[in-house]
Amino acid sequence: GAVVSQHPSRVICKSGTSVKIECRSLDFQATTMFWYRQFPKQSLMLMATSNEGSKATYEQGVEKDKFLINHASLTLSTLTVTSAHPEDSSFYICSAFTGFNEQYFGPGTRLTVT
Amino acid sequence: KQEVTQIPAALSVPEGENLVLNCSFTDSAIYNLQWFRQDPGKGLTSLLLIQSSQREQTSGRLNASLDKSSGRSTLYIAASQPGDSATYLCAVRPTGGGNKLTFGTGTQLKVEL
Repeated sequence: GAVVSQHPSRVICKSGTSVKIECRSLDFQATTMFWYRQFPKQSLMLMATSNEGSKATYEQGVEKDKFLINHASLTLSTLTVTSAHPEDSSFYICSAFTGFNEQYFGPGTRLTVT
Repeated sequence: KQEVTQIPAALSVPEGENLVLNCSFTDSAIYNLQWFRQDPGKGLTSLLLIQSSQREQTSGRLNASLDKSSGRSTLYIAASQPGDSATYLCAVRPTGGGNKLTFGTGTQLKVEL
């Protein structure tokens, strides 16, 4: 079946630093990947849509200069949280769309900014 | 703007009980609806996907129904087990070629021994 991986699974960084999260589709090509954010006991909120070879589309209220998304290949998208602050601490989940019916979700990355 | 609500927010049942989780959405122009399971600190596991033209889908002890006109879906879990304890999320995909999913608020289920 379609498998999506994320790396790292957990990351702790200091306030003011940047951190990169990778999302990979392991056994299929994904023309579109999505990045979500989830706060404790809340649902997933879509942050941005990432299309291979083009600029990401950000949802309203998401700072594109803070959350940099790159989709350089059909199997890899990266999310870089720049100048991280404690309020950026959250669970970040990516998904990959095969172009048919479903999105396949990664296992998530827990970011803690101290 | 599509809004998806799940009721109840939390549910605790004894093992063996049958239960129903509810999902309602405000815009009936959906392409499909999907039910997911999320364990604490983990990603999402897809359980069932119902196309807008379908009324229900079944997988093992799970049965999901869809009434698009009334903006409702239910997830029925038969003979619940402690291993079913998790948060259940529904999500809708819009018609018109959009691929974005709008997620519901989730139901946190606990099945007790």
